[in-house]
Amino acid sequence: DVKVTQSSRYLVKRTGEKVFLECVQDMDHENMFWYRQDPGLGLRLIYFSYDVKMKEKGDIPEGYSVSREKKERFSLILESASTNQTSMYLCASSFLPEEQYFGPGTRLTVT
Amino acid sequence: QKEVEQNSGPLSVPEGAIASLNCTYSDRGSQSFFWYRQYSGKSPELIMFIYSNGDKEDGRFTAQLNKASQYVSLLIRDSQPSDSATYLCAVLRGNRLAFGKGNQVVVIP
Repeated sequence: DVKVTQSSRYLVKRTGEKVFLECVQDMDHENMFWYRQDPGLGLRLIYFSYDVKMKEKGDIPEGYSVSREKKERFSLILESASTNQTSMYLCASSFLPEEQYFGPGTRLTVT
Repeated sequence: QKEVEQNSGPLSVPEGAIASLNCTYSDRGSQSFFWYRQYSGKSPELIMFIYSNGDKEDGRFTAQLNKASQYVSLLIRDSQPSDSATYLCAVLRGNRLAFGKGNQVVVIP
């Protein structure tokens, strides 16, 4: 079974802090994705990566950056957390972009 | 027009009935379509995909695609309480997916 793990299930941070969310997959997938999910807004793509050190902006990249130094690990960075970044963050990985396997999610609260 | 639209509100169906979910998409060139299921508090999981016009059946699930009208449907036959979830429609756009906002289904025993 594909396993995608995320570093934390719940995280509380203060405004202005730098926040790191980590995602690890064990299936040697090339593609990895970061989404946020908010009520009424659905699942929105922040960034994705199709290879080590490669990244592409999704629909809402502002205020975020990513890092992929190793194939199995994809990190999402909030440079200076703001309250409007309070959300559920979901990581996914895939061999083909359509069959994505999601991690359990990190519920981030910024106060 | 949004790229992928799922406009229906929560759908309540009695156990054993058919649940019908619809999704429209804006890019006429789209070729690949997917349905993900998300249980409350859980992550989405892929349950169906369809590439060709017509119907595709998998157990109690049927996906329907009409490219001329640019819509995709998901039918759940003999609905069970375990089908209560949010269903997300997705369209392949290059090397990524565009998701709809989802439709919640509640199956009433």
